[in-house]
Amino acid sequence: GENVEQHPSTLSVQEGDSAVIKCTYSDSASNYFPWYKQELGKGPQLIIDIRSNVGEKKDQRIAVTLNKTAKHFSLHITETQPEDSAVYFCAAVTFSGAGSYQLTFGKGTKLSVIP
Amino acid sequence: DTGVSQNPRHKITKRGQNVTFRCDPISEHNRLYWYRQTLGQGPEFLTYFQNEAQLEKSRLLSDRFSAERPKGSFSTLEIQRTEQGDSAMYLCASSLYQNTEAFFGQGTRLTVV
Repeated sequence: GENVEQHPSTLSVQEGDSAVIKCTYSDSASNYFPWYKQELGKGPQLIIDIRSNVGEKKDQRIAVTLNKTAKHFSLHITETQPEDSAVYFCAAVTFSGAGSYQLTFGKGTKLSVIP
Repeated sequence: DTGVSQNPRHKITKRGQNVTFRCDPISEHNRLYWYRQTLGQGPEFLTYFQNEAQLEKSRLLSDRFSAERPKGSFSTLEIQRTEQGDSAMYLCASSLYQNTEAFFGQGTRLTVV
């Protein structure tokens, strides 16, 4: 099955600086890569995603990049703000011909933005 | 609120008791998923439904766990004879058929004492 590795496990940045979180995956059949933000006591919230036919996607201060050859993808947050502090999860999705669909998550990165 | 709704938000139960959680997905979403999340870990897949059909179950889903989605709307997850190792956050998510974005609920935090 799919295995997703995520680094770093914790990340502290000064407000206004950039944050980068990196993930690798093992299954070359994976073709959809969402990123989730989880605040304390809440469920994961989808913040951005990328599909295997795209190398980069940007949404305001958030961008994701995907390198299918190397099987890694990254989340970039620019101009960080205190409200960006949360746990971020990457995930990979593999679709089978039978319609099976499964999200495999990384272990998460706890981002702290210091005012 | 048109998001995924889970009830209860918190459940404390004694070891050996049965518990049942409910998930109401986003109304037009055909697919519904259950995940389990333990402290410091990412969510782990348990099972998923397409409409009322349960199409896949993880090996994590022991025979003490059962999930249903009657009529393809809300879903329930029951844990029988709870053990302390069942203590976790149970998350439900839903997505549109042939669409891949999965939206999560707030989760049900289970504590087995």
